[in-house]
Amino acid sequence: QQPVQSPQAVILREGEDAVINCSSSKALYSVHWYRQKHGEAPVFLMILLKGGEQKGHEKISASFNEKKQQSSLYLTASQLSYSGTYFCGTEGGRDYGGSQGNLIFGKGTKLSVKP
Amino acid sequence: DAGVTQSPTHLIKTRGQQVTLRCSPKSGHDTVSWYQQALGQGPQFIFQYYEEEERQRGNFPDRFSGHQFPNYSSELNVNALLLGDSALYLCASSGNPSYEQFFGPGTRLTVL
Repeated sequence: QQPVQSPQAVILREGEDAVINCSSSKALYSVHWYRQKHGEAPVFLMILLKGGEQKGHEKISASFNEKKQQSSLYLTASQLSYSGTYFCGTEGGRDYGGSQGNLIFGKGTKLSVKP
Repeated sequence: DAGVTQSPTHLIKTRGQQVTLRCSPKSGHDTVSWYQQALGQGPQFIFQYYEEEERQRGNFPDRFSGHQFPNYSSELNVNALLLGDSALYLCASSGNPSYEQFFGPGTRLTVL
C-alpha cells in the first residue's frame, strides 16, 4: 500500500517553516525520508524506526508515530537549498536475513523556497 | 569513498529490444535494490539482491530480471521493452548494520 503524503506541494519564503506528512494504512517498521532535486537522485535525509522516536539533522527533524502509522518531516527556518521533492519511503517489515526491506514510496511533496 | 555508481547515464532503445543496466554499490554495502521512477512519481521497488540472490521482488513482470555478482555489483535486465518502460532506473545500496539506502544517479531509459 502506497503511503499518502500531504501536502502535494508547498511554497515557502526563506526562513519559514513547513511540515510534510506521510500516512500509511499498514503497520510500519520504519519510515525513510529523501529529498530529490530535479534531474538528480534521491538524497537520504533520515530514517525512523518503530518506537515513536524523533530524529533531527540541523534544521530538519522528523517524528514517527507507529500506532497511527504516520510520520512527519519538519523543516524549520527554510533555506533556498531545501527546495525539491520530498519522498517518504515506508517499510512494512523484515522477515529475511538481508540488511533492509524494500521501500514503498509516496508520490512526493514538492517544496519550493523563494527568496 | 565512491558512492553508488550506475551506467550508462542515458539509453535510447526501441520497442522489443533488450537492455542491461549496471550498478556498483557504495563501498562496504552488500545489498542492492533497484527502483523504477516514472516522471513525477516516487520510485517503485523492482527487486533486491543480497548474497547474489533475489531476496524480495516488487510488482514487476518477469521481463525484469537481475543479477548480483560476488563483488556485490548488480545488473538489471529488461527484455521485450515496452514504451511504458521509459523511466529513470535507480539503484540503491545498503549494508548491515546500516539501515539507510543510498541511491545512485540513475539511468534514464527512453523506449521509442
